[in-house]
Amino acid sequence: QVQLQESGPGLVKPSETLSLNCNVSGFSISSGYFWGWIRQPPGKGLEWIGSLYSRGGTSYNPSLESRVSISVDMSKNQFSLKLTSVTAADTAVYFCARDLEGGWPHWGQGIVVTVSS
Amino acid sequence: ETVLTQSPGTLSLSPGERATLSCRASQFVLSNYLAWYQHKPGQAPRLLIYRASLRATGVPDRFTGSGSGTDFTLTISRLEPEDFAVYYCQHYVSSRQWTFGQGTKVEI
Repeated sequence: QVQLQESGPGLVKPSETLSLNCNVSGFSISSGYFWGWIRQPPGKGLEWIGSLYSRGGTSYNPSLESRVSISVDMSKNQFSLKLTSVTAADTAVYFCARDLEGGWPHWGQGIVVTVSS
Repeated sequence: ETVLTQSPGTLSLSPGERATLSCRASQFVLSNYLAWYQHKPGQAPRLLIYRASLRATGVPDRFTGSGSGTDFTLTISRLEPEDFAVYYCQHYVSSRQWTFGQGTKVEI
């Protein structure tokens, strides 16, 4: 069964770039589906950040599009998130996930990222 | 961009009672691409329902999704103690955009 695991620094300084990886096991990213990043700021709801389709293409939340990029490394079976010019508002639990018919049944455990100097 | 509005914000119920959660979309939801999640603190969200009415793998049949167009409902027929959580609806559009509602907290 597919398993996802986020990794990356838990602390990022303001104005710097947040970089996270999602390692996938039990399923090859190249086989299909959408792969996405979703976050939850403290005390708030879920927010979709962006997704990539393993056979081509990315899409991003319009509110973050100018600062976000998602890429894939098929050789490592992992995909990555970069969010530039971070502020305290980007402090959140970040999840990676895989879709099924528009929903997200498969999730990583989440990683807490704090933006602070 | 489709906005999802969930109501009520908080639902105070007891175990054994029926819970009815609403999700209203600002635009027509094509192909019923509407999902529901259960989210507990410290855990990843759990997909309950996708395509408005299809239960995800392992989801008990006390969870039922219904609706079409712009109005959708998640019904929990008899609340179990483990069902007290926050519930989100989520929409997908073919332009490859996903949107979440603001959530409904089901509390004792």
